[in-house]
Amino acid sequence: DAKTTQPPSMDCAEGRAANLPCNHSTISGNEYVYWYRQIHSQGPQYIIHGLKNNETNEMASLIITEDRKSSTLILPHATLRDTAVYYCIVRSVNTGNQFYFGTGTSLTVIP
Amino acid sequence: GAVVSQHPSWVICKSGTSVKIECRSLDFQATTMFWYRQFPKQSLMLMATSNEGSKATYEQGVEKDKFLINHASLTLSTLTVTSAHPEDSSFYICSASPPGGYEQYFGPGTRLTVT
Repeated sequence: DAKTTQPPSMDCAEGRAANLPCNHSTISGNEYVYWYRQIHSQGPQYIIHGLKNNETNEMASLIITEDRKSSTLILPHATLRDTAVYYCIVRSVNTGNQFYFGTGTSLTVIP
Repeated sequence: GAVVSQHPSWVICKSGTSVKIECRSLDFQATTMFWYRQFPKQSLMLMATSNEGSKATYEQGVEKDKFLINHASLTLSTLTVTSAHPEDSSFYICSASPPGGYEQYFGPGTRLTVT
């Protein structure tokens, strides 16, 4: 399974865009990139996923580089409720769809 | 939609006893469920993959005789921690995937404290 590398922590001002990077340089062609977040002592919450193309939904945008070796999750207007640990996960379709979580990025939104 | 529940949300038990944690998919059928463990200030660690009607597949280093998993129906999987010890104290989280779907929907977690 491809491993992911994320910065351990980031701060973002409330109302500004939060850009969370993820490096997955060993990703294979059929592996999807998923983003989840976990607010303290809760189960992870699905945010977005993609394969090759950029994706957008009501929560966030996902930008995947052309070589697919890295991606960026964008929260367009961060609020205090977006303070959480964000996990970038690469899912293989060949190994039973397991998720192997990395260390994630702890995002703190500052008032 | 896609709601997963866990019961109990927290439990305290004495060392040597067994504890059962339930994971239910409330509004969809889950052919596959996953169990994770999370220690304080650490990431989630996958323990096992549970497929309805078949034996669970455990990750390397996870004792299958200690962590018994049963996935008897398309909406229910259970994790039993047998002969619990204080080092088993952790946050246990399940997730479920619908048939043909690849997203995992996570439960709220169960905090186990073994005294």
